[in-house]
Amino acid sequence: NAGVTQTPKFQVLKTGQSMTLQCAQDMNHNSMYWYRQDPGMGLRLIYYSASEGTTDKGEVPNGYNVSRLNKREFSLRLESAAPSQTSVYFCASSEALPDLQETQYFGPGTRLLVL
Amino acid sequence: TQLLEQSPQFLSIQEGENLTVYCNSSSVFSSLQWYRQEPGEGPVLLVTVVTGGEVKKLKRLTFQFGDARKDSSLHITAAQPGDTGLYLCAGVISNFGNEKLTFGTGTRLTIIP
Repeated sequence: NAGVTQTPKFQVLKTGQSMTLQCAQDMNHNSMYWYRQDPGMGLRLIYYSASEGTTDKGEVPNGYNVSRLNKREFSLRLESAAPSQTSVYFCASSEALPDLQETQYFGPGTRLLVL
Repeated sequence: TQLLEQSPQFLSIQEGENLTVYCNSSSVFSSLQWYRQEPGEGPVLLVTVVTGGEVKKLKRLTFQFGDARKDSSLHITAAQPGDTGLYLCAGVISNFGNEKLTFGTGTRLTIIP
């Protein structure tokens, strides 16, 4: 039982390049999330998927797209990377959308540097 | 706009000392969570508080939810080096089935042996 896994762990891109961050969970969770973490900013929600087949924008969606490939997998795509997208990206999953007692489980993160 | 402000942003204290970190907002939360994040890893949930005024204890950690459900505190007694990490509060605002978790700015805690 690996929980939430993310690939790659590290990535360096040049401005304008594209890439896809992969995320998978083996807990049979319905909801999945992508966050970015920047110093002094906490975690900010980029996109989320309440259930298989649905995706919605979070707080900072510009420059990103997502795909909920199936119940297990949720990918994040940068079509044309910019230096402002240098960050640590976390994928998370939960049984359902946040309510009073819902717990989110996080992956180990992908560290992205855009030059 | 950051809904949840944490203070202090950084805290470095000696092993054995006590400390308190704060999480404040002008918004009312239906619940509030505290996570701890270690270097190179994702956040891990420590506790969820739901009721205004609620106090929960987890060994040497005491969590309190403000009476008005706008703020929370985390108190650590006799800090240990293993307590070192980034502490994040996160709140849920009721939004008619469209609830999201909003994270605070974080407190980076270092316990010096």
